[in-house]
Amino acid sequence: GQNIDQPTEMTATEGAIVQINCTYQTSGFNGLFWYQQHAGEAPTFLSYNVLDGLEEKGRFSSFLSRSKGYSYLLLKELQMKDSASYLCAVRGPGNMLTFGGGTRLMVKP
Amino acid sequence: GAGVSQSPSNKVTEKGKDVELRCDPISGHTALYWYRQSLGQGLEFLIYFQGNSAPDKSGLPSDRFSAERTGGSVSTLTIQRTQQEDSAVYLCASSGTSGLAGANEQFFGPGTRLTVL
Repeated sequence: GQNIDQPTEMTATEGAIVQINCTYQTSGFNGLFWYQQHAGEAPTFLSYNVLDGLEEKGRFSSFLSRSKGYSYLLLKELQMKDSASYLCAVRGPGNMLTFGGGTRLMVKP
Repeated sequence: GAGVSQSPSNKVTEKGKDVELRCDPISGHTALYWYRQSLGQGLEFLIYFQGNSAPDKSGLPSDRFSAERTGGSVSTLTIQRTQQEDSAVYLCASSGTSGLAGANEQFFGPGTRLTVL
């Protein structure tokens, strides 16, 4: 099975940088995803890592270390609209995702 | 349509009643998933359809829950004899060859908020 751990809540200041960590233990690994979910809305895809290293996309970057079972999502130049939950999900055999509980990020002025 | 759609957006029902939730995936997507999300919680996998293969029902919490996918497109999630603990947002997602190459990321619908009184 899969076990995904991420912090429940984080707070950061507008304009700053925040790193949201995710650790996982899996019986099979076929990629790691990060999704953003604003309150009352559906999750939207942010990033995908299947090989070790850093994937950068604008203000957002995601890192993966398969040997350590570890990923992080890095958000730069935080904006108020970045206040949301960030969901880490691991893909196992097939295309099934197991989600962590999500990290609720609050960006303060 | 351009995205995944779900109906109804909200459903209030009485304990013991049956409910049906509908999902229209993105056209051409072969995979369809149902998840449940309780308030402030992560997504709990329920069931997964891939093409014409038998669905993976390993996440269904009880035999009161069932789902079908007709013609490889629209899916219906049925909850029989609803209980108060069934209250949650039910999210549908689909995936295929669209999107980021190699990722086969899941695209989510807006969800159905189910409230069982």
